[in-house]
Amino acid sequence: GAGVSQTPSNKVTEKGKYVELRCDPISGHTALYWYRQSLGQGPEFLIYFQGTGAADDSGLPNDRFFAVRPEGSVSTLKIQRTERGDSAVYLCASSLTSQGTQYFGPGTRLLVL
Amino acid sequence: AQTVTQSQPEMSVQEAETVTLSCTYDTSENNYYLFWYKQPPSRQMILVIRQEAYKQQNATENRFSVNFQKAAKSFSLKISDSQLGDTAMYFCASSTSYGKLTFGQGTILTVHP
Repeated sequence: GAGVSQTPSNKVTEKGKYVELRCDPISGHTALYWYRQSLGQGPEFLIYFQGTGAADDSGLPNDRFFAVRPEGSVSTLKIQRTERGDSAVYLCASSLTSQGTQYFGPGTRLLVL
Repeated sequence: AQTVTQSQPEMSVQEAETVTLSCTYDTSENNYYLFWYKQPPSRQMILVIRQEAYKQQNATENRFSVNFQKAAKSFSLKISDSQLGDTAMYFCASSTSYGKLTFGQGTILTVHP
């Protein structure tokens, strides 16, 4: 079956612009996670959704970052007033339950000029 | 809070040989899981092996096995009969009871022909 997909694969934007990153989880997976991976580092947790609600958003770095999952399936990570330090690969993962194996998408590489 | 430490930034091994990647962790969770993920240059994060902390028996998946020492908070990965396709970045990770992953810094493994 289809895995986790993320769009776009790459996004180049200018400092101060607004961006949206999309994640399509595996069908039926109730748990969805966003991570951010800087070059040469391990991914860092951003936010966890169980169904439609954000159960843990403690990893969001500041109020410029926001994520939604309105119907409990697709999720969108939104970044306002982008900064050069936001440049990274943004990874999405989903799992059948919160204790299940997480399956990762290919990531979106964001470059802020 | 969780921390994961991988002390080997890079490792190399000859094809068909065995290599061990080290990982130590710390967690305040009573119920947690440990993972090894592989990330090739395509950046797709792939699960290699998973260990439930309450199980004493070490997990094994074909050529991959772990040495889980709970008291020492150590979780190493052994790759037997190394193959060229094993070349990748390897991440050790621990999870909370609801799946939030904390990753180590990664070990770049190169398999030489």
